[in-house]
Amino acid sequence: NAGVMQNPRHLVRRRGQEARLRCSPMKGHSHVYWYRQLPEEGLKFMVYLQKENIIDESGMPKERFSAEFPKEGPSILRIQQVVRGDSAAYFCASSRQEGNQPQHFGDGTRLSIL
Amino acid sequence: DQQVKQNSPSLSVQEGRISILNCDYTNSMFDYFLWYKKYPAEGPTFLISISSIKDKNEDGRFTVFLNKSAKHLSLHIVPSQPGDSAVYFCAASDVGSSNTGKLIFGQGTTLQVKP
Repeated sequence: NAGVMQNPRHLVRRRGQEARLRCSPMKGHSHVYWYRQLPEEGLKFMVYLQKENIIDESGMPKERFSAEFPKEGPSILRIQQVVRGDSAAYFCASSRQEGNQPQHFGDGTRLSIL
Repeated sequence: DQQVKQNSPSLSVQEGRISILNCDYTNSMFDYFLWYKKYPAEGPTFLISISSIKDKNEDGRFTVFLNKSAKHLSLHIVPSQPGDSAVYFCAASDVGSSNTGKLIFGQGTTLQVKP
């Protein structure tokens, strides 16, 4: 499967725990985007990364959330000290380059906070 | 501040007829527009896109129309098929000035195609 791979597909955490969401972009894609979808809403941009660089994190909450895209390995979205309001579907997308290029999405990680 | 709006939460059409999904935007800096289809428990699937230098783009049964003066775009599906039943999202990007390519999504329209 050459598509965007996200894991885990489902993640359950208790309040105060940490959540780590992983994303492997499509082969040949070096641009990674993270989006969050709350129930009954559209997708909201969180962060845009290229290898080893955060390019735009204007959609990221100021606290508890961080993202990285290391030289080797998948991109990681990390949520520390999770709260009930973090329950959502988190989608990763990748593109070959920025600009007029469609982003291709993974199937998401559904995060549930108990 | 909802910069991309899909005012119809749902649409129902008969198989074989045309489906028209609409999208309005407020930011005149948007210069790249996309439509995605989404099934439950899956990620959005890219359907078709259009650059602001065009007013129409066609790919098989899917055609996107862009009216920049009205800040409006639409997706036409003809003929509609039951497998087209899904949630459709309109998305926009300000590529020219922002250089990040981040997408701003509408709330989605649920399309049901009846056999």
